[in-house]
Amino acid sequence: DAGVTQSPTHLIKTRGQQVTLRCSPKSGHDTVSWYQQALGQGPQFIFQYYEEEERQRGNFPDRFSGHQFPNYSSELNVNALLLGDSALYLCASTSSWQTDTQYFGPGTRLTVL
Amino acid sequence: DAKTTQPTSMDCAEGRAANLPCNHSTISGNEYVYWYRQIHSQGPQYIIHGLKNNETNEMASLIITEDRKSSTLILPHATLRDTAVYYCIVRVVYNTNAGKSTFGDGTTLTVKP
Repeated sequence: DAGVTQSPTHLIKTRGQQVTLRCSPKSGHDTVSWYQQALGQGPQFIFQYYEEEERQRGNFPDRFSGHQFPNYSSELNVNALLLGDSALYLCASTSSWQTDTQYFGPGTRLTVL
Repeated sequence: DAKTTQPTSMDCAEGRAANLPCNHSTISGNEYVYWYRQIHSQGPQYIIHGLKNNETNEMASLIITEDRKSSTLILPHATLRDTAVYYCIVRVVYNTNAGKSTFGDGTTLTVKP
């Protein structure tokens, strides 16, 4: 049973560019959440997708947007990249029908130069 | 979601039990206690969760006080591979908040030979 997968593993971008990160949830899960983790800090909630709609959002600007597809996979898009967007981006999935335990992917390390 | 307080760091001798405390004095009756750990730059790994009863699985035991204002994660026989940052989280499940976890900075556990 495949767990949560994310791609790419690492990414380097320059300021002002746009980036798209991808996530496939654990089998049987229908809810995907995205987190940003700066170095030395705990993960910070960006937003959550369920039934292809954004259900909750953390304190992140509109430059951060997302999408969920009918197969429950998800994308995180960040526009107009800033140096401060450099972080580990984590995807987590859960099931709205089960015990709601969240499982995390390995993350995508984004470096903005 | 209720906030949690954890010590910044702890040491444990290899083979001994590691006891990681967490305070969650503002926990609500419908909030669960979850524990995750994160090994350097990997995604957080789910360990265990509970509502009010003590729980045990193949990885650890979770002891929740009767008033639910604090809990302790117990790794019965710590190994060097248990060196990681341990996060205690409390959150509601089975509603629209499902999937959002509020992380603090966690406890860095160092297991020493």
